[in-house]
Amino acid sequence: QLVLTQSPSASASLGASVKLTCTLSSGHSSYAIAWHQQQPEKGPRYLMKLNSDGSHSKGDGIPDRFSGSSSGAERYLTISSLQSEDEADYYCQTWGTGIPVFGGGTKLTVL
Amino acid sequence: EVQLVESGGGLVQPGGSLRLSCAASGFTFSSYWMSWVRQAPGKGLEWVANIKQDGSEKYYVDSVKGRFTISRDNAKNSLYLQMNSLRAEDTAVYYCARDKPDGWYFDYWGQGTLVTVSS
Repeated sequence: QLVLTQSPSASASLGASVKLTCTLSSGHSSYAIAWHQQQPEKGPRYLMKLNSDGSHSKGDGIPDRFSGSSSGAERYLTISSLQSEDEADYYCQTWGTGIPVFGGGTKLTVL
Repeated sequence: EVQLVESGGGLVQPGGSLRLSCAASGFTFSSYWMSWVRQAPGKGLEWVANIKQDGSEKYYVDSVKGRFTISRDNAKNSLYLQMNSLRAEDTAVYYCARDKPDGWYFDYWGQGTLVTVSS
């Protein structure tokens, strides 16, 4: 069964960097994912598609501070020079077998 | 600028019906698959249904099969979700989203409309 696992929470200081992780379930390590950001009380916003080789394509207007990388079954979202507006929920999502599947989301707190 | 604006949410009793709409603008609506994704209060995202450009293919999550129907009107640049036999567990914010052509993921989202199923 295709499952995406994310840590429920993360925190980092203003101006620092943070790396969020999304782990694909066993047997699905080659799958691409998408990262989405959801700021409080807003609809989600597409950040990027991230392939298994680490290549990624970002959505319109997404700052260079957001980048993606991959290692095995892990997919990462790195946000550098953290700003207050980066405080949000971050969801990974994939679609390899059957219907689209979302991870449980990581709530990022900017200290 | 791509815009997706949902409407039609509200309070409905268990067993009732509701029709959601999504008005699309800023892109060629008829060229894209479109999806509905929902989010229960305090919970994560769940894909609900999607529809092909010409409406000839539709897919649903198991929990709504036989109760929800997705449709579209390309002349009106609009997406719809007819929800029947509503249950308390259908309570959620419903988002309209545009599917990317190279995979089953979403590159634009609406702001959502809240559906509350309660007596």
